[in-house]
Amino acid sequence: AQSVTQLGSHVSVSEGALVLLRCNYSSSVPPYLFWYVQYPNQGLQLLLKYTTGATLVKGINGFEAEFKKSETSFHLTKPSAHMSDAAEYFCAVSANTGFQKLVFGTGTRLLVSP
Amino acid sequence: EAGVAQSPRYKIIEKRQSVAFWCNPISGHATLYWYQQILGQGPKLLIQFQNNGVVDDSQLPKDRFSAERLKGVDSTLKIQPAKLEDSAVYLCASSFQSGTEAFFGQGTRLTVV
Repeated sequence: AQSVTQLGSHVSVSEGALVLLRCNYSSSVPPYLFWYVQYPNQGLQLLLKYTTGATLVKGINGFEAEFKKSETSFHLTKPSAHMSDAAEYFCAVSANTGFQKLVFGTGTRLLVSP
Repeated sequence: EAGVAQSPRYKIIEKRQSVAFWCNPISGHATLYWYQQILGQGPKLLIQFQNNGVVDDSQLPKDRFSAERLKGVDSTLKIQPAKLEDSAVYLCASSFQSGTEAFFGQGTRLTVV
């Protein structure tokens, strides 16, 4: 079984500050990891993903995440927050073994102040 | 490439009524998911199809929820009878194969009064 824990239901930053959203996962097989963003009244949009290979993955809108197997983490970062980054962010885990479910965390709401 | 299409976008019904949601996934995607997202929470997987077969429906309340994907393409999720706690956004997603990135529709916001 797989699961995801997102630490902090809300994160507040100032515009231009570093964004760090935390995600820890549990998986009995090598995981696939994803970050999705959700704007109000919208579906989920993929920011970035890790499947295999390079552990530092870059996504859209200047976001990146690093897969750390030893820490079972996949934290999302962005060097400089923009007002338009304010949204709900979800970490998700799956795998390529058999028919794996795509399991989501509870989400972190990012608030960006001017 | 067309995205995942869902309808309706919004639905308001009274408790004990029935409702159905429709989803048309991206062409060629074998895996289709239905998620329930209650306000302030993450998406919860209700059912996952691989082509027209059910892979996982462990969290589907089968006494009132049903879903089908008869031809392995579009899918319908039904609730009968609805309860107040079913008020949520129902998200449909599809992926080329199980485990790969999923593409989401805009969702159907259901309000049960």
